[in-house]
Amino acid sequence: GESVGLHLPTLSVQEGDNSIINCAYSNSASDYFIWYKQESGKGPQFIIDIRSNMDKRQGQRVTVLLNKTVKHLSLQIAATQPGDSAVYFCAETNFNKFYFGSGTKLNVKP
Amino acid sequence: GAGVSQSPRYKVAKRGQDVALRCDPISGHVSLFWYQQALGQGPEFLTYFQNEAQLDKSGLPSDRFFAERPEGSVSTLKIQRTQQEDSAVYLCASSPLAAGETQYFGPGTRLLVL
Repeated sequence: GESVGLHLPTLSVQEGDNSIINCAYSNSASDYFIWYKQESGKGPQFIIDIRSNMDKRQGQRVTVLLNKTVKHLSLQIAATQPGDSAVYFCAETNFNKFYFGSGTKLNVKP
Repeated sequence: GAGVSQSPRYKVAKRGQDVALRCDPISGHVSLFWYQQALGQGPEFLTYFQNEAQLDKSGLPSDRFFAERPEGSVSTLKIQRTQQEDSAVYLCASSPLAAGETQYFGPGTRLLVL
């Protein structure tokens, strides 16, 4: 089956620092990747996406990097804020199925 | 106007009871997905609709699980004869695109089977 996993289950960063959350995926045929943020008691919230024909995409304070050679995806959050504290999931798609990793919890220390 | 809504938000069921979970997607969204999220895990795909057609139900864990979207808008996930292992958060997501990209999630229904 598909496998999307995260290297670090918990990441603690100081407010104002940059955060990097990593994700590995197993299906080289996947062509679309998404990062979601999930706060306690809420559904996942779309952050940023990237297609397989790109290796970098930037949003507001967030950047997603895709390395297809090693099947690795990362999310960079600049100037991390307390409101960024949440669980972050990467997801990949293959034929309309979305496969999520198990998540990384980001703790932002004031 | 608002986002995806789900009801009920919480459901406690006795083992063996049937439950029905409702999803109201964003108006006009073509695709609708159901996911099951166990505690501390990422969402797991259950099933996918494009309008009223259920195009993929390969993620449904057993024949006790049934989903429908008869008019291409509201969807219901039904679980018959609930078991303790069915306890989870059930998430619904909708997308304006047939391919299901850019999914907007509802808050989920937390199901506890005793």
